[in-house]
Amino acid sequence: GPKVLQIPSHQIIDMGQMVTLNCDPVSNHLYFYWYKQILGQQMEFLVNFYNGKVMEKSKLFKDQFSVERPDGSYFTLKIQPTALEDSAVYFCASSLYWGGSYEQYFGPGTRLTVL
Amino acid sequence: GEKVEQHESTLSVREGDSAVINCTYTDTASSYFPWYKQEAGKSLHFVIDIRSNVDRKQSQRLIVLLDKKAKRFSLHITATQPEDSAIYFCAARRDFNTGNYKYVFGAGTRLKVIA
Repeated sequence: GPKVLQIPSHQIIDMGQMVTLNCDPVSNHLYFYWYKQILGQQMEFLVNFYNGKVMEKSKLFKDQFSVERPDGSYFTLKIQPTALEDSAVYFCASSLYWGGSYEQYFGPGTRLTVL
Repeated sequence: GEKVEQHESTLSVREGDSAVINCTYTDTASSYFPWYKQEAGKSLHFVIDIRSNVDRKQSQRLIVLLDKKAKRFSLHITATQPEDSAIYFCAARRDFNTGNYKYVFGAGTRLKVIA
C-alpha cells in the first residue's frame, strides 16, 4: 500500500543545535501532519499543513518549531534551537482529503535524542 | 482539551479467543474513529475505522462498535492469531469541515496472543 518515508530513522544532537526531520509523504496526498511520542506515552498532535500553510497546531508546537514543504519535496519539521524535552519519536503522516479518503498514513518515525 | 482514554494498557488472550479493546472520548464533536496497529519496530498501520453515522462496522475478523451517547468505541478481534500481537491505538477526530484535522490518540493497548 501507500507508504510514508522518514529520514533519518534516528538523530542524535546536542542541545541548542538545529535539527531537520524529513518526511516523504504519499505522492498524491494533500494534508501533512507531525506527531510527537515521548517514550512510554501516547502520540500527540503537533501540526497539520496544507497548501503551503499551517492549518492547525497544538501547544506542543513551540516557537522553535517550523514546518515547510518547498516545491513539493520533503515535508520537514525543523527545531531550532533544540531542548532536552524535544527528545522523542516524531511521526509524520499524510492524507488525501479531496476524494473522500480521511485515512492518515504514518511513517516509521524518527527517534530524536537531544543530549 | 480533547482526550481519548484507552482503558486496557495490556491484554493477553489465548489464540482463537476474542480480544476487546475499549476507548472513550471527551469531544462530542468527534465523528471519525480510526484504529491503528503498531508491530514491534514498525510504524502505525491502519486497520479499521468507523464514522459517527453508523454504530457498527466489520472487516473480516475486526469489528468496531460505536456508542455515541456513552462516547465509547471498541475494537473486537475475533478468532485471534499470534500475528495479531501488537500495540493497538484508537483515535478520534472531528469532521474536516470544522477546520480541525488532528487525531487525538489513546495511549495504546499492548495485545499479546498466546499460542
